[in-house]
Amino acid sequence: QITLKESGPTLVKPTQTLTLTCTFSGFSLSTSGVGVGWIRQPPGKALEWLALIYWDDDKRYSPSLKSRLTITKDTSKNQVVLTMTNMDPVDTATYYCAHSRIVGFDYWGQGTLVTVSS
Amino acid sequence: DIQMTQSPSSVSASVGDRVTITCRASQGISSWLAWYQQKPGKAPKLLIYAASSLQSGVPSRFSGSGSGTDFTLTISSLQPEDFATYYCQQANSFPPTFGQGTKLEIK
Repeated sequence: QITLKESGPTLVKPTQTLTLTCTFSGFSLSTSGVGVGWIRQPPGKALEWLALIYWDDDKRYSPSLKSRLTITKDTSKNQVVLTMTNMDPVDTATYYCAHSRIVGFDYWGQGTLVTVSS
Repeated sequence: DIQMTQSPSSVSASVGDRVTITCRASQGISSWLAWYQQKPGKAPKLLIYAASSLQSGVPSRFSGSGSGTDFTLTISSLQPEDFATYYCQQANSFPPTFGQGTKLEIK
């Protein structure tokens, strides 16, 4: 059974760096073809893809946020970490991590709401 | 980036109705399309992948079709649990992009 869970701060101040951890089970990020992505959703708005990391450490980023994002994995801990620098109130959103298949994300975490406010 | 446009943005329907939601890509994406259902306060759930393949465990009243730029999600007979927001997502090229969502409401 595949499960994912996001963890991290619920409140960050403007200009701070956000660090989110996705802890997963039921699959290995060292298995060929496997990926884990991050997607966010501002309150009442649509989904926005942020980043994705593959089993071979290939990393992909949203072009509009690339300069602010870093995604890493710790295969031994079954974790993927996303950092986003220079947080702004417009970054207030629910952040999801998800297991990636060739077409689509088939397993999602429950999401974590991050509020950016001073 | 490939833009995904869904229509309608919202639709009202009754239990038992047949409902179709459309998704148009700004350029051809072959069959690299997924559909998701999202209920309030919950994570999205994958319904359809590769435009027409039903994800395991998803009821057969859900179906997807299309290729290239135009796609549809059809719910053949609405059930009370189907009232939710639906999103399409292209997986043809990076970055993956989502439609703006279609809210399916009870009439």
